Amino acid sequence: SQTIHQWPATLVQPVGSPLSLECTVEGTSNPNLYWYRQAAGRGLQLLFYSVGIGQISSEVPQNLSASRPQDRQFILSSKKLLLSDSGFYLCAWGTSGVDTQYFGPGTRLTVL
Amino acid sequence: EDQVTQSPEALRLQEGESSSLNCSYTVSGLRGLFWYRQDPGKGPEFLFTLYSAGEEKEKERLKATLTKKESFLHITAPKPEDSATYLCAVQASSGGSNYKLTFGKGTLLTVNP
Repeated sequence: SQTIHQWPATLVQPVGSPLSLECTVEGTSNPNLYWYRQAAGRGLQLLFYSVGIGQISSEVPQNLSASRPQDRQFILSSKKLLLSDSGFYLCAWGTSGVDTQYFGPGTRLTVL
Repeated sequence: EDQVTQSPEALRLQEGESSSLNCSYTVSGLRGLFWYRQDPGKGPEFLFTLYSAGEEKEKERLKATLTKKESFLHITAPKPEDSATYLCAVQASSGGSNYKLTFGKGTLLTVNP
């Protein structure tokens, strides 16, 4: 069966510091991968998605970036965090041709 | 722009008291409508996918239905363990981002024993 991991589970960072969140998927090959952010009082917002290694599409322009160095690894990064980057970050995977997306456990990011 | 509105924002039920959650949507061609359950501090858990008006799906005490403008999640004889936030999302068939899910803000369901 497929499993999705995210780490860290929680993170507290000062404004202006860098960020690196990691997501890995097990039990499937060539998945579509997604990064979402869930802010208080708002619905989940798609940030990035990837259909293959090195292929990244951005949905929302901001100071975040994403990379996919391996087939089942997805990384969310920032060079300098803003207060507005605080939120619950969720990674999800799906299979081409099947629409359902399955979510990981999430990373709670607090920027102070 | 695709939009999803869920109502009510919060719902409190007594154990065994059946009710429905609503998800209204506007989308440029529906590819699929999705229901998820989210417990506090955790990622959403997939429940159902509906593709066309008239379709229904069931899982234990939950039943999801779909019309051309909205979807309902019916909860029959709920138990306290059904307490969670229920999220609705749509996926459009038009445009370049076929994979994008547009989510509503969710309905927070509390079932009291």
